[in-house]
Amino acid sequence: GNSVTQMEGPVTLSEEAFLTINCTYTATGYPSLFWYVQYPGEGLQLLLKATKADDKGSNKGFEATYRKETTSFHLEKGSVQVSDSAVYFCALPSGGYQKVTFGTGTKLQVIP
Amino acid sequence: NAGVTQTPKFQVLKTGQSMTLQCAQDMNHNSMYWYRQDPGMGLRLIYYSASEGTTDKGEVPNGYNVSRLNKREFSLRLESAAPSQTSVYFCASSARGSQGGDQPQHFGDGTRLSIL
Repeated sequence: GNSVTQMEGPVTLSEEAFLTINCTYTATGYPSLFWYVQYPGEGLQLLLKATKADDKGSNKGFEATYRKETTSFHLEKGSVQVSDSAVYFCALPSGGYQKVTFGTGTKLQVIP
Repeated sequence: NAGVTQTPKFQVLKTGQSMTLQCAQDMNHNSMYWYRQDPGMGLRLIYYSASEGTTDKGEVPNGYNVSRLNKREFSLRLESAAPSQTSVYFCASSARGSQGGDQPQHFGDGTRLSIL
């Protein structure tokens, strides 16, 4: 089945710093790719998605580009805020019916 | 916009007790899922229901049972709770995708379960 590997955390950044969280995948074909975010005490929520190669998903200042050559979907933000402190999960369809595989999550802490 | 609602939010059980975690969604989604989240382990799929009337095992089904009561509701039952089942449990739902799993999942806020 499909799989995803994302960088381990925690990642600690100062406010307004540039963020990159790496995600690479192994998949059959070209499935949709997702980033989810989990704020403390809450469930995961979709942050952005890309459905085909070279697509760029974006939301709330975050971006990720679907790179089939490097099988990557890295999450970036130009200037992080304290409110971005959360756990970020990369995900893709499992290859099984209607199932999704999630990465292990990367915790981001932004300090003022 | 309730989305996915889980009850209870917190629960403490003694070893050997049983309980049912409830989940309901109001988005008319076909597929529903139960995950557990443990530190350093990410999300692990316990059971899922691709459509009303069907349920299937995920990665870690042992010690759990599920019921897809109708299109809206999907419950998770622990028949005889064990300390290893201490975790945060999340229910999720998604629309049926054309390519299977290509629709985003919508999560509840979780049930924090401790088993003593």
